[in-house]
Amino acid sequence: DTEVTQTPKHLVMGMTNKKSLKCEQHMGHRAMYWYKQKAKKPPELMFVYSYEKLSINESVPSRFSPECPNSSLLNLHLHALQPEDSALYLCASSHRQGTGDTQYFGPGTRLTVL
Amino acid sequence: EDKVVQSPLSLVVHEGDTVTLNCSYEVTNFRSLLWYKQEKKAPTFLFMLTSSGIEKKSGRLSSILDKKELFSILNITATQTGDSAIYLCAGIIQGAQKLVFGQGTRLTINP
Repeated sequence: DTEVTQTPKHLVMGMTNKKSLKCEQHMGHRAMYWYKQKAKKPPELMFVYSYEKLSINESVPSRFSPECPNSSLLNLHLHALQPEDSALYLCASSHRQGTGDTQYFGPGTRLTVL
Repeated sequence: EDKVVQSPLSLVVHEGDTVTLNCSYEVTNFRSLLWYKQEKKAPTFLFMLTSSGIEKKSGRLSSILDKKELFSILNITATQTGDSAIYLCAGIIQGAQKLVFGQGTRLTINP
């Protein structure tokens, strides 16, 4: 089973709202990732968690706040977003960070900021 | 700066044709190269290539890596309309587990 699940599938929020994206995997993977993908562009890495600790933050604005409560879950908390933050947000996981393991992607959350 | 370049950016062929998608890379501390197929949502994993010259096959799809010339190709034979998608290649940076994605090739298979 190589399934990564994400909820919600779609999210529409105003610039003053606070919302959270959720990602879950039960493959025993210890590295989890958040990517942002704009239309017709490849995914851009936002954050990497390795063994539940944040290991990479690609200079993402503080209005995006990741959280890894346990080895199976990854959240992305959103607050005071801008319309240009509208995108597909993808979660991925891999066996471990730094070993060249394949990353498996979830179906994504399509976010629209009004 | 790490870079992955795919070509062509867009390709339209007829069902039954064979296509070759290209991916060249300049990635420091290169570890492996991944190919993904992306339809409407998430990229789905196709191949991981680590060793040079060893072809990987899955049905009508095959891929090979050339670490001397720093490129990879993805071949699809007897294409079907269901092969229509964006094909992404990505280089893995050793130690960091960062993926450096190419721009993708949008493949359209017409019946």
